[in-house]
Amino acid sequence: SQTIHQWPATLVQPVGSPLSLECTVEGTSNPNLYWYRQAAGRGLQLLFYSVGIGQISSEVPQNLSASRPQDRQFILSSKKLLLSDSGFYLCAWSEITRSEQYFGPGTRLTVT
Amino acid sequence: AQSVTQPDIHITVSEGASLELRCNYSYGATPYLFWYVQSPGQGLQLLLKYFSGDTLVQGIKGFEAEFKRSQSSFNLRKPSVHWSDAAEYFCAAGGANNLFFGTGTRLTVIP
Repeated sequence: SQTIHQWPATLVQPVGSPLSLECTVEGTSNPNLYWYRQAAGRGLQLLFYSVGIGQISSEVPQNLSASRPQDRQFILSSKKLLLSDSGFYLCAWSEITRSEQYFGPGTRLTVT
Repeated sequence: AQSVTQPDIHITVSEGASLELRCNYSYGATPYLFWYVQSPGQGLQLLLKYFSGDTLVQGIKGFEAEFKRSQSSFNLRKPSVHWSDAAEYFCAAGGANNLFFGTGTRLTVIP
């Protein structure tokens, strides 16, 4: 069966510091991968998605970036965090021919 | 514009009572439709999905949802709510690589 991992689970970072969140998927090959942000009391905002290694689509311009160095690894990064980057970050995957997405446990990021 | 609306931000029901969570979508064609559940501090778990065919779909944990094309709706139902159903519920619609999520409905279950 497929599993999706995210780490760290929680993170507290000062404004202006860098960020690296990692997501890995097991038990499948060539998945579509997604990064979402969930702010308090709001729905999910799609940040990036990837259909293959090195292929990243950005949905919202901001100071975040994403990379996919390996087939089942998806990384969310920032060079300098802003207070507004605080939130709950969710990684998800889907099979390339299907629409349903499966979510990881999330990372709670607090920028202080 | 493509969007999903969940008109109820918060719903409170008594344990054992029936439940219906509303979802309306705006999409160019008939989208794929999903309901997810999220417990506090956790990721989203897929409850059920609709692609085509029978408009009443069954999901996990005793949930079901009905697709009504004429109303652009996909409401989630459960005949008897359990205390463990307290969570946030998200409706989503879309196609490959572009799911649109509603803003969620928080369900509180009282004994």
